[in-house]
Amino acid sequence: NAGVTQTPKFQVLKTGQSMTLQCAQDMNHEYMSWYRQDPGMGLRLIHYSVGAGITDQGEVPNGYNVSRSTTEDFPLRLLSAAPSQTSVYFCASSYGGAGELFFGEGSRLTVL
Amino acid sequence: QQPVQSPQAVILREGEDAVINCSSSKALYSVHWYRQKHGEAPVFLMILLKGGEQKGHEKISASFNEKKQQSSLYLTASQLSYSGTYFCGTALGDYNNNDMRFGAGTRLTVKP
Repeated sequence: NAGVTQTPKFQVLKTGQSMTLQCAQDMNHEYMSWYRQDPGMGLRLIHYSVGAGITDQGEVPNGYNVSRSTTEDFPLRLLSAAPSQTSVYFCASSYGGAGELFFGEGSRLTVL
Repeated sequence: QQPVQSPQAVILREGEDAVINCSSSKALYSVHWYRQKHGEAPVFLMILLKGGEQKGHEKISASFNEKKQQSSLYLTASQLSYSGTYFCGTALGDYNNNDMRFGAGTRLTVKP
């Protein structure tokens, strides 16, 4: 019973490098989302998806891309990492649009 | 569009009560409450839908005032395990639209 699985858990990048944070859920949830968490700022929505093939922007989408080719997977891509993207990233999913969010364990990203 | 939480931090002794408030300038469809322990993912506590309902979860309950667009989380007879950061999340849309925004969080510390 895996729930929401995020990889990697830790990553260090240099400015300008690209990478993909992976997120997979095995609960057949239609809704998936990515948040970043910075000290004192709570969780800020980056992108979300209401189903395969459908994505939309949240509060802080700049510098991030997403795609949703399957119900299970929702990867987050950083095309050219910047120090301002140093953060803890959480992927979440829910059954319905306003249902309980199930969070992954988080991915701590440091950009030097 | 982020909801506003207050207070930012609370320190309690075991057995004391606390109230955490969450307010929005927008009409809300639902309010979620989550608790996050240090270094862990947020964990769902409860959801309240518009209609002014009140819910309970052990000694933790919440209310939702639709007219004021406010929700309050009540923690009674606090236990050491209640320590953590509490976040409210608000969704503006209907059941199929979960563009959820979180407040900055309230750090609760319960001391023996």
